[in-house]
Amino acid sequence: EAHLVDSGGGLVQPGRSLRLSCAASGFTFDDYAMHWVRQAPGKGLEWVSGISWNSGKVAYADSVKGRFTISRDNANNFLFLQMNSLRSDDTALYYCAKDTGDWVGLDYWGQGTLVTVSS
Amino acid sequence: SYELTQPPSVSMSPGQTASITCSGDNLGTKFVYWYQQKPGQSPVLVIYRDMQRPSGIPERFSGSNSGNTATLTISGTQAMDEADYYCQAWDGTTGVFGGGTKLTVL
Repeated sequence: EAHLVDSGGGLVQPGRSLRLSCAASGFTFDDYAMHWVRQAPGKGLEWVSGISWNSGKVAYADSVKGRFTISRDNANNFLFLQMNSLRSDDTALYYCAKDTGDWVGLDYWGQGTLVTVSS
Repeated sequence: SYELTQPPSVSMSPGQTASITCSGDNLGTKFVYWYQQKPGQSPVLVIYRDMQRPSGIPERFSGSNSGNTATLTISGTQAMDEADYYCQAWDGTTGVFGGGTKLTVL
């Protein structure tokens, strides 16, 4: 069964950077698109970014476009999210999620890693 | 940008049928996905491509999508179904979630 472990979150000052990682196991990682979804405290889910199996297709929410970069390492089964120019409204629990194919449904989710942007 | 609208809350007695709606412009032309999230837990996919159930999801969960509205139906609601439910669709390559519906089983 697929297993995803998110890491890299923490407390960071506005304007600084942070890199999130997601370690994947239990499935053929390079067969599936992967995504990042976030949830601000007490709020709903917000899709952040997605990447196809071969990194040929990437997409971002308007709220993070130009600041965040998604990438993946298929050799080592890792998904990443480089977050630059962080703002207070980026504060959230960030989940990595496995796609069932290519921009279909998200069938496995990590436990989430908390990013807090505050001075 | 594309938007999905859900009622903030739905209340139901055990054994009744709960329906949670998700509205969006021409939503019936897109596939809709439904996620269940219990407090302190990661979301779980309960319906994909409008009406398909992943393995392990009880048969009491079903879905439909037509026109501007998709519906998640939980037949014979149980206390364990109390959770937040989110609909989701793709607008091109952009993911869109509804605001979520809190299902309370009284």
